[in-house]
Amino acid sequence: GAVVSQHPSRVICKSGTSVKIECRSLDFQATTMFWYRQFPKQSLMLMATSNEGSKATYEQGVEKDKFLINHASLTLSTLTVTSAHPEDSSFYICSADGGKSEAFFGQGTRLTVV
Amino acid sequence: GENVEQHPSTLSVQEGDSAVIKCTYSDSASNYFPWYKQELGKRPQLIIDIRSNVGEKKDQRIAVTLNKTAKHFSLHITETQPEDSAVYFCAASINGNQFYFGTGTSLTVIP
Repeated sequence: GAVVSQHPSRVICKSGTSVKIECRSLDFQATTMFWYRQFPKQSLMLMATSNEGSKATYEQGVEKDKFLINHASLTLSTLTVTSAHPEDSSFYICSADGGKSEAFFGQGTRLTVV
Repeated sequence: GENVEQHPSTLSVQEGDSAVIKCTYSDSASNYFPWYKQELGKRPQLIIDIRSNVGEKKDQRIAVTLNKTAKHFSLHITETQPEDSAVYFCAASINGNQFYFGTGTSLTVIP
């Protein structure tokens, strides 16, 4: 199956700083990638749809100025958590459409804001 | 938008017994319904999926059923094994675009 790589897998940052998470499709091109957030023992919540070459589409309630998404190429989407606060600590996962309607997930990024 | 509900939230079964997890969805336009297994701290892994033109699909010990009229679909695991213990998520999608996930079921298989 298609491979999606997410980096970093874990990051700890100070409150007020920004953190960038990368999502790469390694062996296929993805015009659309998706970003999810998962709190402990909870489900994956779709945050935004990342569209190559255009602005991301955010789900209701997700602050676009806080969660900046850039999809500059067909193999890379980035999520930047700006001015991070402890409540932003979560597990962030990206996925990409690998064709045939199947979503392939990155390995996730555990963000801890201290 | 789509709303997916999943039950139960936790499920414990004896090894060898069957486990059933049920989901409902709200958007009749949804036509693709995957099930994912997620182990702690890892990415979700697709275990089976079903499309709206099919009522049932089976893969060894795992089966999924879909009732389009009632807008619900279910995951059936037979002959459960300890390694089946994980969190399972259902999801609904329109043509494989945005996936909306259920709230998850934590399955524990007791040896």
